[in-house]
Amino acid sequence: GAGVSQTPSNKVTEKGKYVELRCDPISGHTALYWYRQSLGQGPEFLIYFQGTGAADDSGLPNDRFFAVRPEGSVSTLKIQRTERGDSAVYLCASSLKGADEQYFGPGTRLTVT
Amino acid sequence: GDSVTQMEGPVTLSEEAFLTINCTYTATGYPSLFWYVQYPGEGLQLLLKATKADDKGSNKGFEATYRKETTSFHLEKGSVQVSDSAVYFCALKTSYDKVIFGPGTSLSVIP
Repeated sequence: GAGVSQTPSNKVTEKGKYVELRCDPISGHTALYWYRQSLGQGPEFLIYFQGTGAADDSGLPNDRFFAVRPEGSVSTLKIQRTERGDSAVYLCASSLKGADEQYFGPGTRLTVT
Repeated sequence: GDSVTQMEGPVTLSEEAFLTINCTYTATGYPSLFWYVQYPGEGLQLLLKATKADDKGSNKGFEATYRKETTSFHLEKGSVQVSDSAVYFCALKTSYDKVIFGPGTSLSVIP
């Protein structure tokens, strides 16, 4: 079956612009996670959804970052007024409720120039 | 807060050598523990897991034992292959379903 998909695969934007990154989880997976991975680092937790609600958004670095999942499936990570320090690979993962294994998407590489 | 520490890489081994990658954690409660692997050009995938103390996770010849007394989850393999070259991430999942990853350890296996 289809895995987790993320679009776009690459995004180059200018400092100060707004970007949206999309994640399509595996069908039926109620849990969805967003991570940020900088070069040479492990994935850094950003936010976790269970259904439509954000169960834990403690990893969002500041109020420029926001994520939604209005129908409990597709999620969008939104970054306002992008900064060069936001450049990273943004990963999405999904899992069944209560399951340990997460399935990761290929990531979106964001470059802020 | 909750955290995961891994041995620094890169690690370079000859084929058929023994592998150990150390992982220790700090967490409240009783987390589940994981090793994820990222092969070159591929996405993260689960390698093995253990959900309670003294559990041993195993897959593809890799093993790790959940040691509560030492808060460790070291990854081992008796005989590595060139195809094991990848970046390995130790991770924990808290009782609130938050997942924390370590910084990763890069492994290169040479013929």
